[in-house]
Amino acid sequence: GQQLNQSPQSMFIQEGEDVSMNCTSSSIFNTWLWYKQDPGEGPVLLIALYKAGELTSNGRLTAQFGITRKDSFLNISASIPSDVGIYFCAGLKAAGNKLTFGGGTRVLVKP
Amino acid sequence: DAGITQSPRHKVTETGTPVTLRCHQTENHRYMYWYRQDPGHGLRLIHYSYGVKDTDKGEVSDGYSVSRSKTEDFLLTLESATSSQTSVYFCAISDTGKTEAFFGQGTRLTVV
Repeated sequence: GQQLNQSPQSMFIQEGEDVSMNCTSSSIFNTWLWYKQDPGEGPVLLIALYKAGELTSNGRLTAQFGITRKDSFLNISASIPSDVGIYFCAGLKAAGNKLTFGGGTRVLVKP
Repeated sequence: DAGITQSPRHKVTETGTPVTLRCHQTENHRYMYWYRQDPGHGLRLIHYSYGVKDTDKGEVSDGYSVSRSKTEDFLLTLESATSSQTSVYFCAISDTGKTEAFFGQGTRLTVV
């Protein structure tokens, strides 16, 4: 089946750092979504992107819908300890309402 | 939080036994989904529903069946549980014309 490749798979953050992650696909999506999952919880929607080239912010989070419609990026500025968790990208094609998820980026705090 | 309740939250069952997981929503959303989450695989779609009694398979549907007799309830059944079905199962909902999906808190299923 179709896949979204998310990178990096994991990363360590230090408080105050900016972090970036991305999601790429071999096929085109018309909507990109970014979710965060805390331990023991379901994913929670952070940002939704609907147009190629769109740049959208939600507090310290900024996400972009790639111009080719095959990728998306999420940036977290000035990270704080509660940013720890797993971040998932998800893509939606024009037909149907089925989301395809990336494998996730696990964000951890530097020891 | 969207009004989605999954039950049970945790279950341990033996290989070969039938298991049913329930997803209940209070949002009156049209679409409901069952995903499983496994390390290294992210979230994979098992089955989804686009209305009462209307369901379709996702990418990992083998060994699972679903039913939706009411808008608010979507049941996932493992007819004969296997160890490979040990996973965390998430229900999600979305509405007509909306692209965002909202997730329940998950059911952790262990098949021993």
